Amino acid sequence: EDKVVQSPLSLVVHEGDTVTLNCSYEVTNFRSLLWYKQEKKAPTFLFMLTSSGIEKKSGRLSSILDKKELFSILNITATQTGDSAVYLCAVPGGDNQGGKLIFGQGTELSVKP
Amino acid sequence: NAGVTQTPKFRILKIGQSMTLQCAQDMNHNYMYWYRQDPGMGLKLIYYSVGAGITDKGEVPNGYNVSRSTTEDFPLRLELAAPSQTSVYFCASRSDWGRSSYNEQFFGPGTRLTVL
Repeated sequence: EDKVVQSPLSLVVHEGDTVTLNCSYEVTNFRSLLWYKQEKKAPTFLFMLTSSGIEKKSGRLSSILDKKELFSILNITATQTGDSAVYLCAVPGGDNQGGKLIFGQGTELSVKP
Repeated sequence: NAGVTQTPKFRILKIGQSMTLQCAQDMNHNYMYWYRQDPGMGLKLIYYSVGAGITDKGEVPNGYNVSRSTTEDFPLRLELAAPSQTSVYFCASRSDWGRSSYNEQFFGPGTRLTVL
């Protein structure tokens, strides 16, 4: 059965700290891994990773995929209160039916001033 | 473009009542999805559709029904509401270009449903 597990489930840091969020997956026929940010409303897309070892970067956020060890990390440097959100990791289902996404439980990040 | 829109934003139902959650997208996406999100959990897929007239079950379809008569609309029906259906419901869509890769899904703002 396809599975995505995120850790930690919640995290509290202070502004300026650097955080690393983890996502491990088990899926047949892996194609890609996606990261979303959810701030009390709809998830918004951050990154999609398909190749191992290649970092995707957007401002203070970066992510990398390790296809051999079946995990990805999302790094946020110099955190700000606006980074407070739930971060979701997802992979397309291995059966490739309908482009379904399998989501992890999410990591709830709280950045204190 | 409005993107993915959902109505209503909030709803309270009594046990046994029925309702339809509306979802529409104006991006001409063939693929559409319904998810539910319970507190502290990720999103679970209820139903999905790969085009008008085609729907299929996801992980948690029991107690729900869908239809897809047009590309734009994908309503979700609850026939006999139960407290276990209290959740936040998200509709999403994605394009189907580039079959060799995967394209991100775009989400609507969600409907918060409480069943008492």
